[in-house]
Amino acid sequence: IAGITQAPTSQILAAGRRMTLRCTQDMRHNAMYWYRQDLGLGLRLIHYSNTAGTTGKGEVPDGYSVSRANTDDFPLTLASAVPSQTSVYFCASSEGQGASTDTQYFGPGTRLTVL
Amino acid sequence: GQNIDQPTEMTATEGAIVQINCTYQTSGFNGLFWYQQHAGEAPTFLSYNVLDGLEEKGRFSSFLSRSKGYSYLLLKELQMKDSASYLCAVMDSNYQLIWGAGTKLIIKP
Repeated sequence: IAGITQAPTSQILAAGRRMTLRCTQDMRHNAMYWYRQDLGLGLRLIHYSNTAGTTGKGEVPDGYSVSRANTDDFPLTLASAVPSQTSVYFCASSEGQGASTDTQYFGPGTRLTVL
Repeated sequence: GQNIDQPTEMTATEGAIVQINCTYQTSGFNGLFWYQQHAGEAPTFLSYNVLDGLEEKGRFSSFLSRSKGYSYLLLKELQMKDSASYLCAVMDSNYQLIWGAGTKLIIKP
């Protein structure tokens, strides 16, 4: 693995179903993030984790949950998907610790369609 | 509220120079980032400014004026591969990135 990987690449999901998007990084970064990107809007932060064992809510957390059991993995779960969650989801990581030079590196994204 | 403004779309000619502007209003400031995003791909880091002035990196330069809440990304000697969206993001007082909607740059031969 080099950098950040996400799975699946794309998914079509029936409304009401549960779905987990996976994200793994091998850079030993402390911080990880989940964003959604919708046409005409900027990247919007869903949840973040500053270090393993801690998580926080971003701008649009409703309907999503995350966990950070270890440094490398940061899965995003949709408990009961709704059509408004149709989007492209990006996972990102950074060295973290609130450093002002903290640069985020992005995974390739997951394109999710909820019908 | 927090706000990042960028033009939605710009068109330029191969070999020319283009300037993409970004204005921001955020709660605190801990730096401004520019990212490039090709269609269907992930954003990739281009530049970071935290002090006023110009940062040059090859064909790309980024400028910041904190007093004006303003930045621009300057692309020189445009190539067709520069066709992409360019995202401006500001790190606020909580060290969270606030993102603009991006500027789609179209390069014509």
